Amino acid sequence: QKEVEQDPGPLSVPEGAIVSLNCTYSNSAFQYFMWYRQYSRKGPELLMYTYSSGNKEDGRFTAQVDKSSKYISLFIRDSQPSDSATYLCAMSVYRGGGADGLTFGKGTHLIIQP
Amino acid sequence: NAGVTQTPKFRVLKTGQSMTLLCAQDMNHEYMYWYRQDPGMGLRLIHYSVGEGTTAKGEVPDGYNVSRLKKQNFLLGLESAAPSQTSVYFCASSPRDKLYEQYFGPGTRLTVT
Repeated sequence: QKEVEQDPGPLSVPEGAIVSLNCTYSNSAFQYFMWYRQYSRKGPELLMYTYSSGNKEDGRFTAQVDKSSKYISLFIRDSQPSDSATYLCAMSVYRGGGADGLTFGKGTHLIIQP
Repeated sequence: NAGVTQTPKFRVLKTGQSMTLLCAQDMNHEYMYWYRQDPGMGLRLIHYSVGEGTTAKGEVPDGYNVSRLKKQNFLLGLESAAPSQTSVYFCASSPRDKLYEQYFGPGTRLTVT
């Protein structure tokens, strides 16, 4: 079983809809949870990060972590065609210092239809 | 401020050939990483470095070597390329105390025939 599971999609929704993207994980030691956005033929860029459980909001984006269920979500409100991209969840045990990188999900391909 | 840059952007190799991919960052980050991204496999860590002169293996290190002679540069080498190494390679860097804040380069598309 992979440490991080993410549905690859594609997920297609109409413009203005609320989008829900999710990942599950098996390693209970993960403490830092990130969402990266990757446009076609570009490198990933950090969208949001959350430490431990709870919600974090940034504009139209909300990241949610439920450590008891080992489940994280990214919600996008008022979705725009420019949100069309692949969204990768990522996790790490450490904040820094000797860590060996992030564990990524495979990414969900999101399409926002105008 | 260019962030993370990678050269070359594209490359086609024949089986058995060698090449070096160059990554440079101008953010003074201590940590640097090499990932490969394949369809259906996601991003997988090849090697990483926590500082000048130090490197370590990641999840999929076989067939690759790395060097970090200068803090701002991280080189990925393929000594004898194989078709299984056809992939998109991404370099990333992060500050020492913010592992989660990784900055990625634009990627190198490598095809091995």
